[in-house]
Amino acid sequence: GNSVTQMEGPVTLSEEAFLTINCTYTATGYPSLFWYVQYPGEGLQLLLKATKADDKGSNKGFEATYRKETTSFHLEKGSVQVSDSAVYFCALGGSGGSNYKLTFGKGTLLTVNP
Amino acid sequence: EAGVTQFPSHSVIEKGQTVTLRCDPISGHDNLYWYRRVMGKEIKFLLHFVKESKQDESGMPNNRFLAERTGGTYSTLKVQPAELEDSGVYFCASSQNLGTAYEQYFGPGTRLTVT
Repeated sequence: GNSVTQMEGPVTLSEEAFLTINCTYTATGYPSLFWYVQYPGEGLQLLLKATKADDKGSNKGFEATYRKETTSFHLEKGSVQVSDSAVYFCALGGSGGSNYKLTFGKGTLLTVNP
Repeated sequence: EAGVTQFPSHSVIEKGQTVTLRCDPISGHDNLYWYRRVMGKEIKFLLHFVKESKQDESGMPNNRFLAERTGGTYSTLKVQPAELEDSGVYFCASSQNLGTAYEQYFGPGTRLTVT
């Protein structure tokens, strides 16, 4: 079945540091890939997505590229801010008729200090 | 536009008791999903409604869990009787349509603690 493995946290960075959160997946077919973010006290929000190989998703300075050859979708940001402190979840969509069914990683807690 | 809301935000119950969680999706969203995150584990899919019909309940852990969506609006998830392993955060999400082109909007979750 589908699975997602993402970097275990927590991750603590100083403001303006470079961020990478690794995510690899196992799936049948050609799933869409997502990064969700959960800020304290809020629900999960879609941060970015990519629907096919070599697509790059980007939003709010975050980027991730769908790498089929390495089955990866690593999240990166060049300069983090305190407001980026949150839990980040990598996820993939199901295949075919189950493409609504999201499979998540365990989440990575990011804390950015001023 | 109001987002997905869930009630209560936190519930603490004793083993063997019953708890009902509620989710109000975004108005007009026919698709409603329940997910659960057990402590330290992944968020896992539980089930999917289209309007009032259960389309996929393959993720429901056992028959102690009952989800309903009467009238195709809000949904409830009842756990009866609750066990210790049911503790976790229960998320509800909704989407306008199916498919990865349509974002699933998540609520803040209900944290359930069974003691």
